[in-house]
Amino acid sequence: LAKTTQPISMDSYEGQEVNITCSHNNIATNDYITWYQQFPSQGPRFIIQGYKTKVTNEVASLFIPADRKSSTLSLPRVSLSDTAVYYCLVGDFGGATNKLIFGTGTLLAVQP
Amino acid sequence: GAVVSQHPSRVICKSGTSVKIECRSLDFQATTMFWYRQFPKQSLMLMATSNEGSKATYEQGVEKDKFLINHASLTLSTLTVTSAHPEDSSFYICSASDRGQGRDGQFFGPGTRLTVL
Repeated sequence: LAKTTQPISMDSYEGQEVNITCSHNNIATNDYITWYQQFPSQGPRFIIQGYKTKVTNEVASLFIPADRKSSTLSLPRVSLSDTAVYYCLVGDFGGATNKLIFGTGTLLAVQP
Repeated sequence: GAVVSQHPSRVICKSGTSVKIECRSLDFQATTMFWYRQFPKQSLMLMATSNEGSKATYEQGVEKDKFLINHASLTLSTLTVTSAHPEDSSFYICSASDRGQGRDGQFFGPGTRLTVL
């Protein structure tokens, strides 16, 4: 399973766009990149998943360069309720083992 | 999306007692479920992989005799913390894979807060 590296914390203000970058130099060919959000005392919640280029859904965008050694989660116009820990995970989610290894995550603090 | 529940949401027990935590996939079948433990201000740590109808696979350093896992059906996995001690106090989270959802199909329960006095 590829190891991921993210900033420990980030600060932002309401209404700003936030970009969180994750490094995964040892990503394998079959690996997908998935981002989860976790609020205190809750289980992680799926945000977005991608393999290459760009993926966009109703809450976020995920940018993946051609070499796939990093990815960037983009949250448009954050609000106070986006304050949470964001985890980047890399793995073959449809594979035989399908297990996830969580890194440190990034604590995003949104201020008014 | 797929829903995973856990019961109880929180439990307080005396040292030496055993505590059972249930993880259910409510609207899908999960051949594989995972159990995590999370200490305050730390990341989730994978404890074991629970496979329906077979023995669980434990991560290195996790005592299989202390953390008993039973995955008796495609919708239920249980984690029993045996002879719990204060150092076992933690937030326990399960997840389940829904292969029908494709590659993004791993969904997490709301977690169980265990406090051992």
